[in-house]
Amino acid sequence: AQSVTQPDIHITVSEGASLELRCNYSYGATPYLFWYVQSPGQGLQLLLKYFSGDTLVQGIKGFEAEFKRSQSSFNLRKPSVHWSDAAEYFCAVGNFGNEKLTFGTGTRLTIIP
Amino acid sequence: NAGVMQNPRHLVRRRGQEARLRCSPMKGHSHVYWYRQLPEEGLKFMVYLQKENIIDESGMPKERFSAEFPKEGPSILRIQQVVRGDSAAYFCASSVSNSQETQYFGPGTRLLVL
Repeated sequence: AQSVTQPDIHITVSEGASLELRCNYSYGATPYLFWYVQSPGQGLQLLLKYFSGDTLVQGIKGFEAEFKRSQSSFNLRKPSVHWSDAAEYFCAVGNFGNEKLTFGTGTRLTIIP
Repeated sequence: NAGVMQNPRHLVRRRGQEARLRCSPMKGHSHVYWYRQLPEEGLKFMVYLQKENIIDESGMPKERFSAEFPKEGPSILRIQQVVRGDSAAYFCASSVSNSQETQYFGPGTRLLVL
């Protein structure tokens, strides 16, 4: 069964600092990987996705993520965070032939001035 | 170009009542997914439907929960005889076709059972 681990429940960073959110997955074949962001009381917005090809994927709002098969990781990065990035971030995994997504428990990001 | 629409956005029910949650997928999308998010947790898959067919309901509780996606109209998630443990945010997502397509999420329905 596929699973996703987001080891950091809560991260606090200063505005303008760099950010890395960790995501590890468990799945036998090549997974489809996603990062979604959820603002309080809102739905999920897709930041970026990896299906195949280049392992470094660019997303919206200046985010990027790198797929590392050897480490079973798909960490999300941003070089300089903005106060508007404060939200909950979810990593998810899917795979061909199994349409349901499996989500991690999320990482809450707080931005301080 | 409307996104996935869900209504109501907030729903309050007393124990034992029925809850009906509606989801209209994005235009051109024929696949619908329902997920549940309990407080302080990630989303958990419930059911995957195509028009008039339930494809995967492995995440649905065995009793009281049902889902449909009729030929015409929105997808409905129905919870009978609600209990306090059903209080959660229920999200619907849609995609164009199969698993290689991105799922786009609606704003969710927050269900509160008193």
